[in-house]
Amino acid sequence: SAVISQKPSRDICQRGTSLTIQCQVDSQVTMMFWYRQQPGQSLTLIATANQGSEATYESGFVIDKFPISRPNLTFSTLTVSNMSPEDSSIYLCSVDSTYGYTFGSGTRLTVV
Amino acid sequence: GQQLNQSPQSMFIQEGEDVSMNCTSSSIFNTWLWYKQDPGEGPVLLIALYKAGELTSNGRLTAQFGITRKDSFLNISASIPSDVGIYFCAGPKEGSEKLVFGKGTKLTVNP
Repeated sequence: SAVISQKPSRDICQRGTSLTIQCQVDSQVTMMFWYRQQPGQSLTLIATANQGSEATYESGFVIDKFPISRPNLTFSTLTVSNMSPEDSSIYLCSVDSTYGYTFGSGTRLTVV
Repeated sequence: GQQLNQSPQSMFIQEGEDVSMNCTSSSIFNTWLWYKQDPGEGPVLLIALYKAGELTSNGRLTAQFGITRKDSFLNISASIPSDVGIYFCAGPKEGSEKLVFGKGTKLTVNP
């Protein structure tokens, strides 16, 4: 299956600032998915990132808050903008590879 | 929308015991996926099921795709301490590649 490198693995950020999370895949994939996992909760899909087009956001998530880039078929970034403590979560990227959906190890974000 | 109801929410068992957890939905799923998440890590795929009635094993893990396509279960036999973690069922929304997840089953294994 695909191998995903996600960074940073964790960060503590001041409210009002922004953090960009990077996701690198070892093979070319059409779609990359970004999820949020709030403390003690399940995974919720934020958006789907396709190369060459704008990301598609799920209900409750907007581009101004979570801008996404997808410059090529192996890389994507998610930015968490103007952060507040409610944004403290684990953010994960995922791809649909040959053996099923593979996830990065996640970015644990704490906003203080 | 399609939702997955996963139970139990948590389990506390003794090492060596067998474990069973399940997922149900009011909607049909064409694929069922079972993941395990360790603390500080992303979910790791354990078993993927693609056909109604399919029974698949991966070591001590066994999962089945329900005949109605609205449910699935995961069994762990002879549990060991490293089985500790959160287990999620998941499946792609109908006509989509977007995954929807169950709320997870937190497993604690006492040595």
